[in-house]
Amino acid sequence: QSVVTQPPSASGTPGQRVNISCSGSSSNVGNNYVYWYQHLPGSAPKLLIYRDIQRPSGVPDRFSGSKSGTSAYLAISGVRSEDEADYYCAAWDDRVSAMKFGGGTRLTVL
Amino acid sequence: QVQLVESGGGVVQPGRSLRLSCATSGFTLSSYGLHWVRQAPGKGLEWLAVLWYDGLHKNYAESVKGRFTISRDNSDNTLYLQINSLRAEDTGLYYCARDLDPSVAVPAAMRIGYWGQGTQVTVSS
Repeated sequence: QSVVTQPPSASGTPGQRVNISCSGSSSNVGNNYVYWYQHLPGSAPKLLIYRDIQRPSGVPDRFSGSKSGTSAYLAISGVRSEDEADYYCAAWDDRVSAMKFGGGTRLTVL
Repeated sequence: QVQLVESGGGVVQPGRSLRLSCATSGFTLSSYGLHWVRQAPGKGLEWLAVLWYDGLHKNYAESVKGRFTISRDNSDNTLYLQINSLRAEDTGLYYCARDLDPSVAVPAAMRIGYWGQGTQVTVSS
């Protein structure tokens, strides 16, 4: 059981805004940077968001991150069919000195 | 061009040991933090270990501490993961990965930017 919790699934129709939550505690999400990764089947994971809200170069601005307290959020505005993937949040956990991934959220574009 | 290529996976009996390798190129191994992450069948990503750029500091997931050892050979540009006392729950696809930024000394600031394609480990009798 992951100490960083995500909803197992999310969905949206093309063009909609989709939000994915990532809930942790003061030892991880609440006190450390949150990272978001996109994982397409058969491919290596890709960094989408770092340091809570920053986007690496090459990541479309449709993807945005935010954080409030011990919860972080990934928003995808104008979702597209190619966004169908698994999305993971991750944060360092000071209590166990280890990185923690959330359980992952499978995004379905209807 | 940064490349990471894992090898060493296979079908292994419970209780045996295995050493995974990650051949790297396109960067200086000793300048970056390096990670191992796995994905069990039908499950999510699980972070396993990090070797800091300094080669001295290592951190492990609680679930593997004491059984897994991360190391590197700078002369060979290779990252390793030694896995002892293999269990059925160790079955999965093992990825090696690299920090985006060099010389990061704060684990919370490690952002994984490059990944290999993974090597499959199956633990079965």
